Amino acid sequence: SAVISQKPSRDICQRGTSLTIQCQVDSQVTMMFWYRQQPGQSLTLIATANQGSEATYESGFVIDKFPISRPNLTFSTLTVSNMSPEDSSIYLCSVLGYTFGSGTRLTVV
Amino acid sequence: AQTVTQSQPEMSVQEAETVTLSCTYDTSESDYYLFWYKQPPSRQMILVIRQEAYKQQNATENRFSVNFQKAAKSFSLKISDSQLGDAAMYFCAYRRLGFNTDKLIFGTGTRLQVFP
Repeated sequence: SAVISQKPSRDICQRGTSLTIQCQVDSQVTMMFWYRQQPGQSLTLIATANQGSEATYESGFVIDKFPISRPNLTFSTLTVSNMSPEDSSIYLCSVLGYTFGSGTRLTVV
Repeated sequence: AQTVTQSQPEMSVQEAETVTLSCTYDTSESDYYLFWYKQPPSRQMILVIRQEAYKQQNATENRFSVNFQKAAKSFSLKISDSQLGDAAMYFCAYRRLGFNTDKLIFGTGTRLQVFP
């Protein structure tokens, strides 16, 4: 398995601003996954990030709103851009098909 | 497309008793993984137990065990000797076998309350 460090753990942001979430893994992994969990809901995949190529986005998610970087095999960032209250969610990164980071609780006011 | 269904939005159990959480899924694949995750208020997704579909033996992890019925596409979680710390949201999830690059598909979750 792998150990994932995700930062920040929580944040309160003003609408219209952007937040970048970081995910650091203690071993090299091919793919990193970003999920969103809206309040009271289950997890939904936002995108899959492969090192050296553009991320692949799920239906309903676009790169302009959720740009992702994957500069190496142990690190990725997800940015939530031009935030609105509807973006208030828990965001989680995942690797190896089943291991999750500790999550970022985002509140947009 | 694969789907995962958890029909029990909430369950409750007395401390030290046993509770079973239900999960059904739909897939045309013959080999795949099934998972149960625990999500406490801390929001972290904690892997409770994993089952490979090609294994006939039900997975067990201490007080947690599954009843995997492949033909019925059913994957229930049994928690024995329930403890107050077991109170959390529990999510059932599916992933294709051998694809570490493939996504997890989650059910809607079951909130488990444990009463002293």
